[in-house]
Amino acid sequence: EPEVTQTPSHQVTQMGQEVILRCVPISNHLYFYWYRQILGQKVEFLVSFYNNEISEKSEIFDDQFSVERPDGSNFTLKIRSTKLEDSAMYFCASSEEDSSRSAQHFGDGTRLSIL
Amino acid sequence: GENVEQHPSTLSVQEGDSAVIKCTYSDSASNYFPWYKQELGKGPQLIIDIRSNVGEKKDQRIAVTLNKTAKHFSLHITETQPEDSAVYFCAAPHYGGSQGNLIFGKGTKLSVKP
Repeated sequence: EPEVTQTPSHQVTQMGQEVILRCVPISNHLYFYWYRQILGQKVEFLVSFYNNEISEKSEIFDDQFSVERPDGSNFTLKIRSTKLEDSAMYFCASSEEDSSRSAQHFGDGTRLSIL
Repeated sequence: GENVEQHPSTLSVQEGDSAVIKCTYSDSASNYFPWYKQELGKGPQLIIDIRSNVGEKKDQRIAVTLNKTAKHFSLHITETQPEDSAVYFCAAPHYGGSQGNLIFGKGTKLSVKP
């Protein structure tokens, strides 16, 4: 069964450094998402992306965050200057159609640890 | 915007018993309700979903019921097995943009004791 893949599985970074989290969505999916989950808490929406532009972003997704689809298969999340509170699991998801018509499928996440 | 409440936060059952997890939502326009299972170190895995034009959907030992009037939906797991132990999340869509996104409940940690 096709799946969303994310790399790396664990990223350790010094505070203030830039990180790029990578995702390969399911190949025929057109809608992409990033969510995060702070340890022991619920999954929170960060940003949605379609047709090479952001559809919506949450208040968490401030100017330090950006997303990009650099080629036909990858979808990346960049955090420009990391803060301690950015430590969390980051999940990429994709769907064939928008949220009212098709399910979102999640990758296994990247654990981001900011020191 | 959408708000999703989920209960209970923890649930412990004996193997073979049934488990029920309940969620309420606030936006009456919501029309799609997925349930996800998250095992340790993994991402949320979709296990079942329901759309607002049906009241119940079953898939083997898993069922979801939806009451649109009361704005709540429930996950039912029958004949529970130890491998059902995980954190379960309900979700509902929020349409701030064109494609929507999911608002998750806080999760239920299900423990099935052999």
